[in-house]
Amino acid sequence: DAGVIQSPRHEVTEMGQEVTLRCKPISGHNSLFWYRQTMMRGLELLIYFNNNVPIDDSGMPEDRFSAKMPNASFSTLKIQPSEPRDSAVYFCASSLMRETEKLFFGSGTQLSVL
Amino acid sequence: QQQVKQSPQSLIVQKGGISIINCAYENTAFDYFPWYQQFPGKGPALLIAIRPDVSEKKEGRFTISFNKSAKQFSLHIMDSQPGDSATYFCAARRIGNNDMRFGAGTRLTVKP
Repeated sequence: DAGVIQSPRHEVTEMGQEVTLRCKPISGHNSLFWYRQTMMRGLELLIYFNNNVPIDDSGMPEDRFSAKMPNASFSTLKIQPSEPRDSAVYFCASSLMRETEKLFFGSGTQLSVL
Repeated sequence: QQQVKQSPQSLIVQKGGISIINCAYENTAFDYFPWYQQFPGKGPALLIAIRPDVSEKKEGRFTISFNKSAKQFSLHIMDSQPGDSATYFCAARRIGNNDMRFGAGTRLTVKP
């Protein structure tokens, strides 16, 4: 199994631009999570999906952030417009819904907003 | 609101020594306490986990000690090796909730 695949690995953009991060969960996993990692706040849960349905988006910082999961094998996290304070590493993780304690993380997307 | 407090922030250990990382939690509803290991450029990976009905769990050189009354748990790495050098995160999850709360992380360096 290839594990959770995220793209791009690195993204550098200018303030105000739209950013789209992508995630392919492990095949067969039916829960998907988006986390953000910063030095100041550590790992924070932004949103998670069960069976492609958003369950809890209370961690999404602002309306500028949105996430979708159109099918079981793909999810996106979009930031529009992006701001410098959005600079962080964004991780996608997946799990079986009956074992959401066992998270499998992707390698992350390093986002830099200039 | 930090619900899981982790210490130390960084740790340097000689090869063969014991590495100890501590975590404390606030919410007594937490029912699952994992430790994740993260290497540079990679995502966190589940290392070992414990539930509150046991006081200790051991997997190879890694041991979790759990003190329910004190609301504390710790990771012990025996015979630490340079390959163990990584950032370690403790975490906790509340019953019926998928929001895993992570500690701030401990950067472990094992010197040869």
